[in-house]
Amino acid sequence: RKEVEQDPGPFNVPEGATVAFNCTYSNSASQSFFWYRQDCRKEPKLLMSVYSSGNEDGRFTAQLNRASQYISLLIRDSKLSDSATYLCVVNSYTGNQFYFGTGTSLTVIP
Amino acid sequence: DVKVTQSSRYLVKRTGEKVFLECVQDMDHENMFWYRQDPGLGLRLIYFSYDVKMKEKGDIPEGYSVSREKKERFSLILESASTNQTSMYLCASSQQGNPHEQYFGPGTRLTVT
Repeated sequence: RKEVEQDPGPFNVPEGATVAFNCTYSNSASQSFFWYRQDCRKEPKLLMSVYSSGNEDGRFTAQLNRASQYISLLIRDSKLSDSATYLCVVNSYTGNQFYFGTGTSLTVIP
Repeated sequence: DVKVTQSSRYLVKRTGEKVFLECVQDMDHENMFWYRQDPGLGLRLIYFSYDVKMKEKGDIPEGYSVSREKKERFSLILESASTNQTSMYLCASSQQGNPHEQYFGPGTRLTVT
């Protein structure tokens, strides 16, 4: 079983739409959770960390559900510039190893 | 700002050549990582290091070795390059422990012909 699983998509949504991505992880002892964004032919960059209480950064909201072992990312009022691949990342108990989902592709259409 | 740099953005090598990929970080991070990324497979960990001269195998270490002689530098070595090692190689670094995120270099797109 993979450590982290994501729906690869693609998600094609119109500008202004709300879109949500989910990700599940297998190790209940995982400690830290992140969403990264990766543009085509670029390196992944941190979008936001995911905290137990949930957190929001502008149009982006991240949630963690430890009981069900999933994390989510909600993007409101989608912009063309949100088109990218979104990677779910889970850090191991020791903090020294990161597990990546295969990424979810988002295209925002004018 | 954390900066992770990689020695080359694009590299073309022949089958059987020895290939060195260099990665340098400037934030005194203990952990450094090498991944390869292929379409449909996501990022796969090749090796990581949590201290100078320390290394741990990741999920796909076969055909690769690493060297970490200084804290800021982590090298990936392809002893004898093969065509199935054509890929995007990404280096990353992080502080030890939780909840520190990883920072990535720009990647090296390696083609082995």
